[in-house]
Amino acid sequence: EAGVAQSPRYKIIEKRQSVAFWCNPISGHATLYWYQQILGQGPKLLIQFQNNGVVDDSQLPKDRFSAERLKGVDSTLKIQPAKLEDSAVYLCASSLIGGGYGYTFGSGTRLTVV
Amino acid sequence: AQSVTQLDSHVSVSEGTPVLLRCNYSSSYSPSLFWYVQHPNKGLQLLLKYTSAATLVKGINGFEAEFKKSETSFHLTKPSAHMSDAAEYFCVVTDNSGYALNFGKGTSLLVTP
Repeated sequence: EAGVAQSPRYKIIEKRQSVAFWCNPISGHATLYWYQQILGQGPKLLIQFQNNGVVDDSQLPKDRFSAERLKGVDSTLKIQPAKLEDSAVYLCASSLIGGGYGYTFGSGTRLTVV
Repeated sequence: AQSVTQLDSHVSVSEGTPVLLRCNYSSSYSPSLFWYVQHPNKGLQLLLKYTSAATLVKGINGFEAEFKKSETSFHLTKPSAHMSDAAEYFCVVTDNSGYALNFGKGTSLLVTP
């Protein structure tokens, strides 16, 4: 089975610019998550989708971050404008149903804001 | 809130010796617990998971973990370390909804020849 696809793999932008990340989950996985992993830390949940609806976005900095999952499949995460502290790896994951059955993570997008 | 504490940020072992990575959890209900591994510049890989079945959980690559409710612990062990085990290891618990994952800060495992 194909894994979770993410693009781009790497991105370097200047502060105050905008950036978008794309994720294609495993076919049939209803639940999709975006995590932020800052260097030296564990991943932190940003947003969780169930099909195309948002289940939890309590830790998403909504003044600058936005995410959507149109048609309940692909998802995009956008940052506008970016800050230096947004430098991190952005991980997308999907699961068939609940997290108790484990996730499949993508390889992530490494963002550097200069 | 459900959370995990990884007691060691770095662990160093010699190849062929046992590995012990410690994790304590805090949960108001019976949690699902996981260990994930992350090799440099690679994605997160599930090692094993506990979901209220057997308390001793066997995972991939010879790793296992024991759920101890009385001690609120879920330590990861391996009898004999291999050089390829060098990586970052995360202890993880599901949140209140049972869906999202709360990660610990990670333990970096170094394996020396």
